[in-house]
Amino acid sequence: EMQLTQSPGTLSLSPGDRATLSCRASQSVNINNIAWYQQKPGQAPRLVLYGASNRATGIADNFSGSGSGTDFTLTITRLEPEDFAVYYCQQYDSSPRMYTFGQGTNLEI
Amino acid sequence: QLQLHESGPGLIRPSETLSLTCSVSGVPISSSNYYWGWIRQSPGKGLEWIGSVFYSGSTYYNPSLKNRVTISIDTSKSQFSLKLLSVRAADTAVFYCARRLSAAGNFDSWGRGTLVTV
Repeated sequence: EMQLTQSPGTLSLSPGDRATLSCRASQSVNINNIAWYQQKPGQAPRLVLYGASNRATGIADNFSGSGSGTDFTLTITRLEPEDFAVYYCQQYDSSPRMYTFGQGTNLEI
Repeated sequence: QLQLHESGPGLIRPSETLSLTCSVSGVPISSSNYYWGWIRQSPGKGLEWIGSVFYSGSTYYNPSLKNRVTISIDTSKSQFSLKLLSVRAADTAVFYCARRLSAAGNFDSWGRGTLVTV
């Protein structure tokens, strides 16, 4: 069973800082099937990156993603106040079809 | 513009069956370009995928919930639905419906979610 482990659990930074969030999979993942979501209190998750490094519609260019195999990273340069949220990574297995989420990283001011 | 809206009871008793509906507007639910899914989030916890449905009615479920879950689609009403049997307190969660593009492995649009308390 696939597991995604995100680190750190909480990341405390200031506006203008650089944030690096990690997602480690228990098995190798197809890079096309890795996504990152942002969730703010009381809101639904919002797709940030898909295919590990492609920004979703409306996502600022200070968000970027990288990685391969079992290790993936979401990087946010020059943090803006609105970037502080919980971030989840997610992967999709095509056989058997299954979606798995990481436990989240709380990016706090 | 795609909109998804979840509806259903906010409060349900243990052992009952939870029924939720997601109404889709702005895009054709019967398009082969999309899958439709349910995801839940227990209070203060992370996200858990429940299951997904294609316009044809084909479904696939999270193995951990498969024995209690049924997802169906009604293209004439532009809705898809979730039934969760024999609910217990641990099923208390915000339930989201979401869309997945067929060519992708992620959910690009989400409803606002509905809180269900058991």
